[in-house]
Amino acid sequence: DAKTTQPNSMESNEEEPVHLPCNHSTISGTDYIHWYRQLPSQGPEYVIHGLTSNVNNRMASLAIAEDRKSSTLILHRATLRDAAVYYCILKSNYQLIWGAGTKLIIKP
Amino acid sequence: GAGVSQSPRYKVAKRGQDVALRCDPISGHVSLFWYQQALGQGPEFLTYFQNEAQLDKSGLPSDRFFAERPEGSVSTLKIQRTQQEDSAVYLCASSLTFSNIQYFGAGTRLSVL
Repeated sequence: DAKTTQPNSMESNEEEPVHLPCNHSTISGTDYIHWYRQLPSQGPEYVIHGLTSNVNNRMASLAIAEDRKSSTLILHRATLRDAAVYYCILKSNYQLIWGAGTKLIIKP
Repeated sequence: GAGVSQSPRYKVAKRGQDVALRCDPISGHVSLFWYQQALGQGPEFLTYFQNEAQLDKSGLPSDRFFAERPEGSVSTLKIQRTQQEDSAVYLCASSLTFSNIQYFGAGTRLSVL
């Protein structure tokens, strides 16, 4: 199974943009890139997903490298409520293949 | 609308006891998934249902783990003769079809003493 690699943790200041990187060098052509986040004591929450093109929604933006071996989740203006573990995931058919995630710390 | 509901939220079991964890998916969602999440780790896939059919149980760690979804809606994950290594958060997710976004419940935290 293809895997993802993310930094263990990142810090950012409130109201500043945050760029969360993810490497997935063994991604296959049909794997989608998904991002979920998980707040303490809660289940994971969908953030965004894409295949090849960059994607935007109300929560975030997803920038995908041309060779698809890496991607970046962009939170345009982080708030304290965005503090969570962010998972970069490859979706193959119905399976979500999770890494260990990045713990995002937001400093007021 | 109602999301995915899991019960109980917390379960403490003595080693050797059987436990049953319940998942109520979003109404109309065909696909249902169970995951196991150890402390500090990402979720790991256990099993997948499409309606009442269990199409993939490759992630179940042993034959002590059993899942069912008899009427294609509510699902139960049963663990027989619990062991300490079964202590984890068990997450349930549902999606409209297998290719759609998965929506997760809050999970059941199982502690085996």
